[in-house]
This record gives sequence, C-alpha cells and structure tokens, in this order.
Amino acid sequence: GENVGLHLPTLSVQEGDNSIINCAYSNSASDYFIWYKQESGKGPQFIIDIRSNMDKRQGQRVTVLLNKTVKHLSLQIAATQPGDSAVYFCAPQDNYGQNFVFGPGTRLSVLP
Amino acid sequence: NAGVTQTPKFRILKIGQSMTLQCTQDMNHNYMYWYRQDPGMGLKLIYYSVGAGITDKGEVPNGYNVSRSTTEDFPLRLELAAPSQTSVYFCASTHFWGQANYGYTFGSGTRLTVV
Repeated sequence: GENVGLHLPTLSVQEGDNSIINCAYSNSASDYFIWYKQESGKGPQFIIDIRSNMDKRQGQRVTVLLNKTVKHLSLQIAATQPGDSAVYFCAPQDNYGQNFVFGPGTRLSVLP
Repeated sequence: NAGVTQTPKFRILKIGQSMTLQCTQDMNHNYMYWYRQDPGMGLKLIYYSVGAGITDKGEVPNGYNVSRSTTEDFPLRLELAAPSQTSVYFCASTHFWGQANYGYTFGSGTRLTVV
C-alpha cells in the first residue's frame, strides 16, 4: 500500500521567512498529488495540486515541486505569515485514482 | 453555498451506545468519504461512496456502517461504541468524472469521545 512520510514532523519559521515542507511517497503509480492545510479545530483545506506530468506548480505564495524520480514533493510558502500556522498534509492519489492517502502531516509554527 | 455540513460537532458516548454522524453536501458531488483522525495522525479512510446506493470499505471500516440513499447525504453509524473509536471524524466530498478527481471538500469535523 501507499506509504506517505514526512521528513520533519514539526517546522518552526520566523514570520516573513520562506517555509519548505517535504513529503516522501512510496507509490510510483501515483499521478496526482494535493497539499492540504488543516488549521486547529477545522477540516483540511485544499491548497494546491500537481499532476505527474509537471514538476512545478505555483499558486499565490505557494509552490509545489514534484520529483517523481525520488518520489518526493515539497511545498514552499513564501513570506510565511502567522495565518500559515497549521498542519500540512500531502496526499498522493491511490492506485485506483479515486482516493487519496494522507500521512501524519507537518505542523508549521510561525514565530513572531 | 454551505459545502459539507457535519453534525454534531461534539459528542460523548458511553461504551456500547450507538449514534449516527450526519454529513450533507450541497455541491452535487458524486463521491463522498468518511475519515477518522486520531491525535497527531493523518486521516484514515473508513468508508466511501461513489454515488447514491453504492458504498465501499476503506482502510478502517470495522465498527462502522454507512448508507447513501441520496446524493447529498452520507451518514456514518456506530453501533456499539468502543473507546478505540474516540477520534475526530471528517466527512468529505468531491466531484469525480473520467479520470479526474478535483480534490476533496471537507466538513469541519465531529469530535467523538467514548467513555
């Protein structure tokens, strides 16, 4: 089955700095990936997605990088703000293309 | 547009009691899901449904039941509550056609404690 792991369970950054959250996955057949943000007491929210035919996708202040060779994704957040404090999950799509697999997440804390 | 609505937000159950967690979506999504999230952990799939009348087991279905009589509603039933079912439960939905799944919309969760 899919194994989704994260290099760092927690990450603390200074406000205004850039954040990089990493994610390793094991299923080489995964071809669609989503990053979710979960604030305390809330459900996960879609941030950005990327398909396997791309290696980079940019949104507003966020960039996702995909390296299929080593089965690794990263989420970069520019100019991190206090509102970015949350748990971030990467979720690769499973073999059947119907469901996503969630790892434990990385907790991002933004320091004033 | 309410999105995905879950009720109740909090509940305390005694061991052996039963309850139904409600989930409703107003986006005409065909796929719906139930996940549980234990403290400090990711989400584990309990059951999912690809459309009205169709349900399938996920990773951790034991102790739960679901039904999908309408597109909008996907209730989760706990028949004999156990302490191991203490968790936060999230319902989610998505529109899936062809090979495209556009990501989930999650509800705000139900925090369940079994004592």
